[in-house]
Amino acid sequence: QLYLQESGPGLVKPSETLSLTCTVSGGSINSPSYLWGWVRQPPGKGLEWIGSIYSRGGTYYNPSLKGRVTITLDTSRNQVSLRMRPVTAEDTAVYYCARHPRPLPVTHFDFWGRGTLVAVSS
Amino acid sequence: QSVLTQPPSVSGAPGQRVTISCTGSSSNIGASSYVHWYQQLPGTAPKLLIYDNTNRPSGVPDRFSGSKSGTSASLAITGLQAEDEADYYCQSYDSSLSVVFGGGTKLTVL
Repeated sequence: QLYLQESGPGLVKPSETLSLTCTVSGGSINSPSYLWGWVRQPPGKGLEWIGSIYSRGGTYYNPSLKGRVTITLDTSRNQVSLRMRPVTAEDTAVYYCARHPRPLPVTHFDFWGRGTLVAVSS
Repeated sequence: QSVLTQPPSVSGAPGQRVTISCTGSSSNIGASSYVHWYQQLPGTAPKLLIYDNTNRPSGVPDRFSGSKSGTSASLAITGLQAEDEADYYCQSYDSSLSVVFGGGTKLTVL
């Protein structure tokens, strides 16, 4: 069974960098069949796709966030990372890591992490 | 404002049938082959409910079904149960090179 766990600081100051890690267990992020993505959910609001990355490193980002977001893979640690900068209060959200079972564009998310809450505040 | 439009809320009594609509356009649902649906129980992560318009992952009851026509899709739940009370989201892909979600629909079981 695949297991995804997000981790990182729960509080980030405005204008600084949000850095999160998703540790994958029960499967390899190196598989060419999958992509790994990040989705966020502001408190009381809906889901927003942040971006996704292929195992070979190709990346796709939400156009509304492009320029502020970087997604990378660490295959030696089986981890997917998210960096976002600079952050504002509007970036306060629960951040989820999830897997696409096949290439974009017509794909879904079949496994999700439990999510981690990040608050942006001074 | 979400690219895909869902009703904010729907409700139904136990045992009844409810449907949740997801309306898009020719740049997303109308162009993409597939719409997917997720169930989010309170305080938990989303869970895949329907993929590729009509397919259920293993373990999802056949009370849940999906359909798609033109630029819209629907999720139907029959034999409504108290445990179905949750938020439901549709998802597709937009030609702006973006994965897109609906705004979500809160299902209340009366």
